[in-house]
Amino acid sequence: EAQVTQNPRYLITVTGKKLTVTCSQNMNHEYMSWYRQDPGLGLRQIYYSMNVEVTDKGDVPEGYKVSRKEKRNFPLILESPSPNQTSLYFCASSFQGLYGYTFGSGTRLTVV
Amino acid sequence: KNEVEQSPQNLTAQEGEFITINCSYSVGISALHWLQQHPGGGIVSLFMLSSGKKKHGRLIATINIQEKHSSLHITASHPRDSAVYICAVGSIGWGNMLTFGGGTRLMVKP
Repeated sequence: EAQVTQNPRYLITVTGKKLTVTCSQNMNHEYMSWYRQDPGLGLRQIYYSMNVEVTDKGDVPEGYKVSRKEKRNFPLILESPSPNQTSLYFCASSFQGLYGYTFGSGTRLTVV
Repeated sequence: KNEVEQSPQNLTAQEGEFITINCSYSVGISALHWLQQHPGGGIVSLFMLSSGKKKHGRLIATINIQEKHSSLHITASHPRDSAVYICAVGSIGWGNMLTFGGGTRLMVKP
């Protein structure tokens, strides 16, 4: 089954403790991206990647890092999480970014 | 940067009604996407449009490039259509970055 797999689904952590949210797709898509969704602000793009070793900032990249060492994986790294990064996060992939997107199930992150 | 406006923000309909959700954007786009987010939070891509019209089952999406406007129509609405519908645009000159509308929360009552 074609899918984007995000882990974990839920995470509660403390301020400053580094964490990684994993994202993996099995569709051989070049394009992958990360979004956060907040009440009243909607969805906003954090980072995207056009292909292996090619990443670029979205609207709200501050406080996040990404890497794209393999085509299938695009982890989101929070080196020093803060409470304002409490949010619902989605990973997505698309064939070259030119076609429809497949979204992961989401990760609900709480930073206390 | 593109600005994306959706209307209405909230919509309540009776089962069987014809529903229209609108999306306007401010600058030229490479493509427009309609997404559906269910109460559980998952997001599904419904359509990607760069011109004209697309239909899938009871859902129809149209786009008018000159007027910078798109509509999502649901015919014969059903309670299972209750969800948040989100418009997103990929802007020319901004690579593959998507800008999202605020969403339309639809509730269809039996």
